[in-house]
Amino acid sequence: DVKVTQSSRYLVKRTGEKVFLECVQDMDHENMFWYRQDPGLGLRLIYFSYDVKMKEKGDIPEGYSVSREKKERFSLILESASTNQTSMYLCASSDGTYYSNQPQHFGDGTRLSIL
Amino acid sequence: SQQGEEDPQALSIQEGENATMNCSYKTSINNLQWYRQNSGRGLVHLILIRSNEREKHSGRLRVTLDTSKKSSSLLITASRAADTASYFCATDKNTDKLIFGTGTRLQVFP
Repeated sequence: DVKVTQSSRYLVKRTGEKVFLECVQDMDHENMFWYRQDPGLGLRLIYFSYDVKMKEKGDIPEGYSVSREKKERFSLILESASTNQTSMYLCASSDGTYYSNQPQHFGDGTRLSIL
Repeated sequence: SQQGEEDPQALSIQEGENATMNCSYKTSINNLQWYRQNSGRGLVHLILIRSNEREKHSGRLRVTLDTSKKSSSLLITASRAADTASYFCATDKNTDKLIFGTGTRLQVFP
């Protein structure tokens, strides 16, 4: 089974801090994704990556950046955390070169609180 | 606005009953996927149905797709308490990114 591991289940940070969320997948998938999930808004795509060192903006990239130095690892960075970034963050991976015709495999999420 | 929207927002049934959830979308799609999310966990992929398919089965799950009505349904037969979760549809909106709906919360009472 594909395993996507997010480094923390719960994280509490302060406004203005630089925050790193880490995600590792063990199935050699080309594609990796970061979403945030908020009540009533569903999942929204922040960034995705289809190869090492490649990244594409999703629907809500403002205030975030990403890093993919190795194929198995995809990091989400909050440059200067703000309270409106309090959310559940979900990492996912998928195989193949066309994202929407493959299932995505999700980690268990990081519930981030910015105080 | 959301590409896929699930209906109903919440559903409560007894064990053994069938549960039906619907997903409507606005623009043409190549594929539609259904996912389940248990409370506090990540999403788990259930079924992918392509635009040229009308029905797909997986165990107790049955998914239909009607591209003329731009809608899909997920049927869970003989529901169990363990089926309690949120269920999401995801469509590709003619791009290669998935767009998720806001989900249907299913509660199955023993």
